[in-house]
Amino acid sequence: KAGVTQTPRYLIKTRGQQVTLSCSPISGHRSVSWYQQTPGQGLQFLFEYFSETQRNKGNFPGRFSGRQFSNSRSEMNVSTLELGDSALYLCASSLGLAESYEQYFGPGTRLTVT
Amino acid sequence: DAKTTQPTSMDCAEGRAANLPCNHSTISGNEYVYWYRQIHSQGPQYIIHGLKNNETNEMASLIITEDRKSSTLILPHATLRDTAVYYCIQGSDYKLSFGAGTTVTVRA
Repeated sequence: KAGVTQTPRYLIKTRGQQVTLSCSPISGHRSVSWYQQTPGQGLQFLFEYFSETQRNKGNFPGRFSGRQFSNSRSEMNVSTLELGDSALYLCASSLGLAESYEQYFGPGTRLTVT
Repeated sequence: DAKTTQPTSMDCAEGRAANLPCNHSTISGNEYVYWYRQIHSQGPQYIIHGLKNNETNEMASLIITEDRKSSTLILPHATLRDTAVYYCIQGSDYKLSFGAGTTVTVRA
């Protein structure tokens, strides 16, 4: 079974631009979560989508948004990029059922904002 | 914020068992204990989880104390490829709260 895939793997953007990252979950998984990892803050939860609805949300500004499509693929968007948005963005997929919270992570998208 | 506490780092000899402790004294009745690890430059990898019973899979064993306030992850025969940051997480939904984890270095 194929794992979680994320595209692109690397991205360089300029301050003020916006960016869209994509995540394809493991086949049959209906939940997709997004995380940001930086050296200073570690791994932080952004949001989780299940059946095209945002079900959980972390403490990030509104510049960070996401969506999920009917095939469970998910995209994350960051608008008005800031230098501090430079990070590894990870998505994770899971079945999305209660008592089955284990998540399977993709390799991440490395975003550099200059 | 992370609710668990783990040692910052530990070393282990190749071929020996690695025992990773974790304190989760605030865990509630419906929260699970999850263990993930992250090898440098890769996404975190799910290892194992448990509620109150001890669990074992092909990667590791999880021993949870009777009061559920602490647990130990056991890697039975550590290899060099087990060098990673290991995260212990308590939770009951998909909003995982990662702490700093334990950096485990397996030495030949």
